[in-house]
Amino acid sequence: DIQMTQSPSSLPASLGERVTISCRASQGISNNLNWYQQKPDGTIKPLIYYTSNLQSGVPSRFSGSGSGTDYSLTISSLEPEDFAMYYCQQDASFPNTFGAGTKLELK
Amino acid sequence: QVTLKESGPGILQPSQTLSLTCTFSGFSLSTYGMGVGWIRQPSGKGLEWLANIWWDDDKYYNPSLKNRLTISKDTSNNQAFLKITNVDTADTATYYCARINYGGPFDYWGQGVMVTVSS
Repeated sequence: DIQMTQSPSSLPASLGERVTISCRASQGISNNLNWYQQKPDGTIKPLIYYTSNLQSGVPSRFSGSGSGTDYSLTISSLEPEDFAMYYCQQDASFPNTFGAGTKLELK
Repeated sequence: QVTLKESGPGILQPSQTLSLTCTFSGFSLSTYGMGVGWIRQPSGKGLEWLANIWWDDDKYYNPSLKNRLTISKDTSNNQAFLKITNVDTADTATYYCARINYGGPFDYWGQGVMVTVSS
């Protein structure tokens, strides 16, 4: 199985700040990397697919990049609704695997 | 508008079989490229992918659950199902179903259903 190592596990940040979350795969995943946001009520929505493609309806302050084994999600200027959990997921091979998550919290 | 909703027994005892239903609208599992996946999340922990079923009835399972999983679909009634046999307390989690469009992410998720395994 491909292991996904996400960092940091917790990220205190302020409104308007630019933040980056990283995800490293245990082997190359050829850009098959997605990002999801989970709110405290459990609601999950996709943000980015195939490394850098913005899901429909997602604000442009979200962006993704990376290649090979290293990927990142950047939020350019934090809004109040962005404080949530974030997960990366590889779908390069089965079983699909998720990172352990990053809790983005208000500093 | 795409929606998905999970339903399940709420609570069951160890060694029983967990049966989950995902009832969806806004798409068809007979449409080329469409699929439904199941993902679970123990309380306070991360996400674990369980299984996918595709429009052509192709199925993929997480081997870590060692043949305990069966995924199926009822295209006429817009439902997908997941069975997990011989449950134990480690299967206590919130279970999500999600739509997947071939080559894309899980793009629509249900709200999740909580399942507790307890004697």
